Amino acid sequence: ILNVEQSPQSLHVQEGDSTNFTCSFPSSNFYALHWYRWETAKSPEALFVMTLNGDEKKKGRISATLNTKEGYSYLYIKGSQPEDSATYLCALESNTGNQFYFGTGTSLTVIP
Amino acid sequence: GAVVSQHPSWVICKSGTSVKIECRSLDFQATTMFWYRQFPKQSLMLMATSNEGSKATYEQGVEKDKFLINHASLTLSTLTVTSAHPEDSSFYICSAGGRGTDTQYFGPGTRLTVL
Repeated sequence: ILNVEQSPQSLHVQEGDSTNFTCSFPSSNFYALHWYRWETAKSPEALFVMTLNGDEKKKGRISATLNTKEGYSYLYIKGSQPEDSATYLCALESNTGNQFYFGTGTSLTVIP
Repeated sequence: GAVVSQHPSWVICKSGTSVKIECRSLDFQATTMFWYRQFPKQSLMLMATSNEGSKATYEQGVEKDKFLINHASLTLSTLTVTSAHPEDSSFYICSAGGRGTDTQYFGPGTRLTVL
């Protein structure tokens, strides 16, 4: 089992603010790190997959970085919008099979 | 992206009954599907890996005789909670997909309440 911690647990920001949250892990012994966005009553939506130390991925106003040496990944949202309100999940994909191990998520609320 | 459906979305049952949850990959074939469970305020916890045409692999602490998994085709996996009890009340969600640069695609989940 791979341990994954996410912080903060929840976050409220004003529309237009930029924000970021953290996924941390004690071991770099995994195949890939995945970020998902999960809106209520919908399926989790894949955002990014990162495998290499120093990886940076971007999709519109959202970007993510991976630092396997220090054991963290950051997710950034620039100019938050109300539609960004969701829970953001981080998961590590194991080396030995493609099992995913999730953090508890960060719940983001963007206030109009 | 690929679409995974899950049925039912929510179910309420009496203690002692069995409940079947279906997970379907609608536009792709999935040789492997995964079942997760989430209790309030906790993370998604992997229960088992479901392999088409073979027995599922269960995570430590998950009772295979209680949570029966069948993956009879490349587009369908089922999870049956047998003799459900109130402590089995939880959110169950499945996923399917590839490895590495591909990702897992999730269903919308099933909320199970056992009275």
